[in-house]
Amino acid sequence: ILNVEQSPQSLHVQEGDSTNFTCSFPSSNFYALHWYRWETAKSPEALFVMTLNGDEKKKGRISATLNTKEGYSYLYIKGSQPEDSATYLCAYSYSSASKIIFGSGTRLSIRP
Amino acid sequence: DAGITQSPRYKITETGRQVTLMCHQTWSHSYMFWYRQDLGHGLRLIYYSAAADITDKGEVPDGYVVSRSKTENFPLTLESATRSQTSVYFCATEYSRSGRDTQYFGPGTRLTVL
Repeated sequence: ILNVEQSPQSLHVQEGDSTNFTCSFPSSNFYALHWYRWETAKSPEALFVMTLNGDEKKKGRISATLNTKEGYSYLYIKGSQPEDSATYLCAYSYSSASKIIFGSGTRLSIRP
Repeated sequence: DAGITQSPRYKITETGRQVTLMCHQTWSHSYMFWYRQDLGHGLRLIYYSAAADITDKGEVPDGYVVSRSKTENFPLTLESATRSQTSVYFCATEYSRSGRDTQYFGPGTRLTVL
């Protein structure tokens, strides 16, 4: 069974603080790692697709890094704002033909 | 451009009834997926389809049936609804199955089985 784990499950951060959380996946077979942002009462929206070891992606105040050799990705949010409150999902695929496997998400709440 | 639509958005039904959730896309993406959102599990794949008339099981297919007679539609049927099928259901599409393409999600259907 392929497991994608995200930690922590939930996180409360003061507005203006920076934060990060982790996605762990099997390092033995890797093809791609996706990050999605999922606001309450909305549907998940793609943030990044990462494919190479050492990849770094950035979108505004949000960035992500990838370590395929050790099987983890970090998502960073700099200077958290209330609109960053959401669940952040990562999803992993191990081949071009495989389904993507979602983690259970990190639920981020920003305190004003 | 509507993208992906799901109907109904909310549904309440009773145990044992048959329920069909509809998913429609306007992009002509090859792949379509049905997920359910469960507390502690995130999104779990029920069924997916690579093209019209091609479907395959996901992680949690029991109690569900799908069909795809047209590229743009991918209905999900609960043959005899059970309380454990109370969930939010998301349809998603993907342009191709490269493993690196983004999936685009519909707005979700909240289903309650009494």
